[in-house]
Amino acid sequence: EVQLVESGGGSVQPGGSLRLSCEASGFTFSSDWMHWVRQVPGEGPVWVSRINSDGSSTTYADSVRGRFTISRDNAKNTLYLQMNSLRAEDTAVYYCARGLAVAPRSTLNIWGQGTTVTVSS
Amino acid sequence: QSALTQPASVSGSPGQSITISCTGTSSDVGNNDYVSWYQQHPGKAPKLMIYAVFNRPSGVSNRFSGSKSGNTASLTISGLQAEDEADYHCSSYTSSNTLVFGGGTKLTVL
Repeated sequence: EVQLVESGGGSVQPGGSLRLSCEASGFTFSSDWMHWVRQVPGEGPVWVSRINSDGSSTTYADSVRGRFTISRDNAKNTLYLQMNSLRAEDTAVYYCARGLAVAPRSTLNIWGQGTTVTVSS
Repeated sequence: QSALTQPASVSGSPGQSITISCTGTSSDVGNNDYVSWYQQHPGKAPKLMIYAVFNRPSGVSNRFSGSKSGNTASLTISGLQAEDEADYHCSSYTSSNTLVFGGGTKLTVL
């Protein structure tokens, strides 16, 4: 079964840091582009970041560039999101998602169940 | 990058057809054919329903169809069923090499 399982969410004070993980199974993780997307309950999803299959290329939304870092360990089938200088507006459910092979930059065909990040004093 | 514009809600009776619009700009929806649609039930992760404007992933019912004209994409659901009641989100690749989503549309099956 193709599966993505996020972990690492929690509560943190403004200015703090968190590292999210996403463990993949059931597919060849090292072949696929991966994304992070966040969503405030009741609102639409917001794309956060993307990484190519070997980790050599990364892209970020303007709202997180310079504060968040996406990375991957293909030997461990795991995707990461290091989040620094967190702000209240970063509060959301964070999903990792797999890029569709035929359109890896733009289409997300498998999503994890999400992990909740709360930034509050 | 501003979010794509979707109606907040749409509704229809079982068996009817509904259409959800997704309006962007010449920098996203009007710039390429990488528009996708996702279905999201409460408390669940989004599920891909349509990609590249009109393509259906394996396993998605042919009652779901997509189209695009200019800066506006559309999702049509025919033969509405109770299980279709969910939130629907559109997304588009952008000229800035990023991805933008819509604000979501709540579909109610009456």
